[in-house]
Amino acid sequence: ETGVTQSPTHLIKTRGQQVTLRCSSQSGHNTVSWYQQALGQGPQFIFQYYREEENGRGNFPPRFSGLQFPNYSSELNVNALELDDSALYLCASSTALEGAETQYFGPGTRLLVL
Amino acid sequence: GQQLNQSPQSMFIQEGEDVSMNCTSSSIFNTWLWYKQDPGEGPVLLIALYKAGELTSNGRLTAQFGITRKDSFLNISASIPSDVGIYFCAGRTYFGNEKLTFGTGTRLTIIP
Repeated sequence: ETGVTQSPTHLIKTRGQQVTLRCSSQSGHNTVSWYQQALGQGPQFIFQYYREEENGRGNFPPRFSGLQFPNYSSELNVNALELDDSALYLCASSTALEGAETQYFGPGTRLLVL
Repeated sequence: GQQLNQSPQSMFIQEGEDVSMNCTSSSIFNTWLWYKQDPGEGPVLLIALYKAGELTSNGRLTAQFGITRKDSFLNISASIPSDVGIYFCAGRTYFGNEKLTFGTGTRLTIIP
């Protein structure tokens, strides 16, 4: 059974640029959630995708957007990067009907915005 | 965004000691979860609690869902070196809503 994988592992961007982060969900999981974890903080929910549609969103501006593909992998896109976007971005996959306790997290992508 | 209050923020203990940490919220949750995060890794689920007053164990770990639904506690007995890491609580408002609200974390360090 393949776990949740994320790419890239690390990324450096400059303010104003755009970034795309990728997540491959665990085999058999059809739901992907994205979280932002600032240094020294707990993860903050960005949004969730279920069957290629957004299914819930946290308190993040529209420049944070996402996609889910037919194979249930997902992308997180962030436009017009700001310094405060520097964080660890985590994705978690789950099977929707079983609830949040089955969320399996990937290792994250660490983004640094200069 | 909202974060749950965890205490203590950090703990320095000796191997073999017991550990207690708690998490409080201003909102009611219907599910409480406890995660552990190691450096360079994503959070790993330790214990899930579904009913107010519930007490659940997972090996040396025991967690309780507070009666008010606004708090939860995690205890670790006889700590070992691999317990080092950051522990997060997380709450979920209702089943089917996958959004998790995480706590601020408790960093556990074991002194040799």
